[in-house]
Parts: sequence; C-alpha cells; structure tokens
Amino acid sequence: GNSVTQMEGPVTLSEEAFLTINCTYTATGYPSLFWYVQYPGEGLQLLLKATKADDKGSNKGFEATYRKETTSFHLEKGSVQVSDSAVYFCALRTNAGKSTFGDGTTLTVKP
Amino acid sequence: SAVISQKPSRDICQRGTSLTIQCQVDSQVTMMFWYRQQPGQSLTLIATANQGSEATYESGFVIDKFPISRPNLTFSTLTVSNMSPEDSSIYLCSGLGVSTDTQYFGPGTRLTVL
Repeated sequence: GNSVTQMEGPVTLSEEAFLTINCTYTATGYPSLFWYVQYPGEGLQLLLKATKADDKGSNKGFEATYRKETTSFHLEKGSVQVSDSAVYFCALRTNAGKSTFGDGTTLTVKP
Repeated sequence: SAVISQKPSRDICQRGTSLTIQCQVDSQVTMMFWYRQQPGQSLTLIATANQGSEATYESGFVIDKFPISRPNLTFSTLTVSNMSPEDSSIYLCSGLGVSTDTQYFGPGTRLTVL
C-alpha cells in the first residue's frame, strides 16, 4: 500500500534559521505530493503541492521538489519566522482521490 | 476555494451514547472524506462519503459504528455510535475541490468520551 514517512520531530529552531523537513513516500503509480500546515487550534491548510516528477511547489517562502528517483519531497525554507511554528504534514494522493498522510512534524521557532 | 465548517467544534460525551457531527461546505466539492486524528498523530481516513449512497469505509471502520450520510454535494454527517473512551479524538471533514485538485479541511470536532 501507499505510505509516507516524515522526519521525526519535534524540531526547534531559532528565527532566521534554515529549515528542512524530510519526507519520503512509497506508492504505486504516479501520485501527487503535498505539504499541509496545521496551526494551533486550526484545521489543515494546503501549503504547497507538486503533481509530477521534478515539479517544485512553493508558497510563503517554503519549497519542495518532487524527486521520483529518491521518492522524496523534502520541505525547505531559507529563513524561518516565529509565525511558522506549526505542525507540518507531508501527504500523497493517488488518482483514486484518497490521501495518505505522514505522522506530522512539529516545528517551534524561537525568537 | 472552499470553506468547510463543522458542528459541534467540541463535545464531551458519556460512554454508550452517540454523537452526530455535521460538515457543511460553502461550495461544491467532488469527494468528501472523514478522518480521525489522535492528538499529536497523523490523520486516519475513516471513510469516503458518497452522495446519495452508502459511504466507502476503510479497513478497521464499519458502518454500524460510524454511519455517514451525504444527502447533497455540500453537506455530510458522521455519527460516532455507542461511544467508548477509545473514540476520544479529533474528527475532521474534508472535501476535494471541483475545479482544482486541492483538498480542503474543516477545523475539526474535538470529542472526549468519559
């Protein structure tokens, strides 16, 4: 079956530090890949997505590149802010429409 | 984009009772889903809500325990039946956009069973 493995957390960084959250996946076919963010007390929001190999998704300074050869979709940001503190979920979705989520990585950014 | 609302936002229930959670989308979505999220854990898909027909359940979830309705394209309900403390969790409604493949999520219903 499909699966998503995320870097274990929690991750604590100082403001303006570089962020990487690793994500690898296992899937049949060619899934679309997503990063979602969940701020405290809120629902999940789409952060970025990529639908085919070598696509780069980007939003709010975050980036992730769909790497088919390494089955990875690592999330990066060059300079994090306190407001980026949240839980980040990597996910894949197949043509059937169902999504598979990673376990989530909690990011805390300290001033 | 679509905005999804859920009611109630939280509830505390007694063992053996049932709770129905409502999910309303402000625009049409193609597929609707119900997830369970244990605190600090990932999302587990309970079922896909199908308009006008029985929901499609994932392994480990059954209709008698989690009956689901979807009478139209923008509304769905999930009932958690005969609750036990193990059912304490956050229940999330989600919909797949019509014109895009973006998946939208409601804010969740936090359920505590005593």
